[in-house]
Amino acid sequence: SQQGEEDPQALSIQEGENATMNCSYKTSINNLQWYRQNSGRGLVHLILIRSNEREKHSGRLRVTLDTSKKSSSLLITASRAADTASYFCATPGGFKTIFGAGTRLFVKA
Amino acid sequence: NAGVTQTPKFQVLKTGQSMTLQCAQDMNHNSMYWYRQDPGMGLRLIYYSASEGTTDKGEVPNGYNVSRLNKREFSLRLESAAPSQTSVYFCASSENRSNQPQHFGDGTRLSIL
Repeated sequence: SQQGEEDPQALSIQEGENATMNCSYKTSINNLQWYRQNSGRGLVHLILIRSNEREKHSGRLRVTLDTSKKSSSLLITASRAADTASYFCATPGGFKTIFGAGTRLFVKA
Repeated sequence: NAGVTQTPKFQVLKTGQSMTLQCAQDMNHNSMYWYRQDPGMGLRLIYYSASEGTTDKGEVPNGYNVSRLNKREFSLRLESAAPSQTSVYFCASSENRSNQPQHFGDGTRLSIL
């Protein structure tokens, strides 16, 4: 099955810095999604990028997709303590959605 | 607007006991899902329901059963709980296909002793 794998597994930065997380996948996809999970909560959908899109923005989030390299990146600019969470990429797997193991982001105030 | 509601939030069971995890969504979504989340393993799909009246196995269905009671409700049952089923269980829904954004509940934390 297709699966996104996030890198790094964990990331610790200072408030105000940018955070970049990467996702690699194995086979062709028609879209890729990013989710956030705060401690003790469910996942929250952040952004969906289609295979014919190279970049997409939502507020302080910037997502890129490189289908030739089978990779995506999530950039959070000017990070805040409230951005502390786990971030997951998700790729289609038949009818199902396959989630990676996630990147744990810690933003220090 | 509650979104996806899961009950209970926490539960402790003894090995061999049974229980049902409840999930309801108020977004008129057709598709619903049950996942388990274990440390370092991301989310694994247990069962899903593409539409009312249909259910299908996911990646890790053994030891579980599901019921799509109506369009709003999708329950997960553990018939004879085992310690390996200690996990956090999430219910999610999407408008149609799973390639669309999914909306998650806040999970049920289940410990089996």
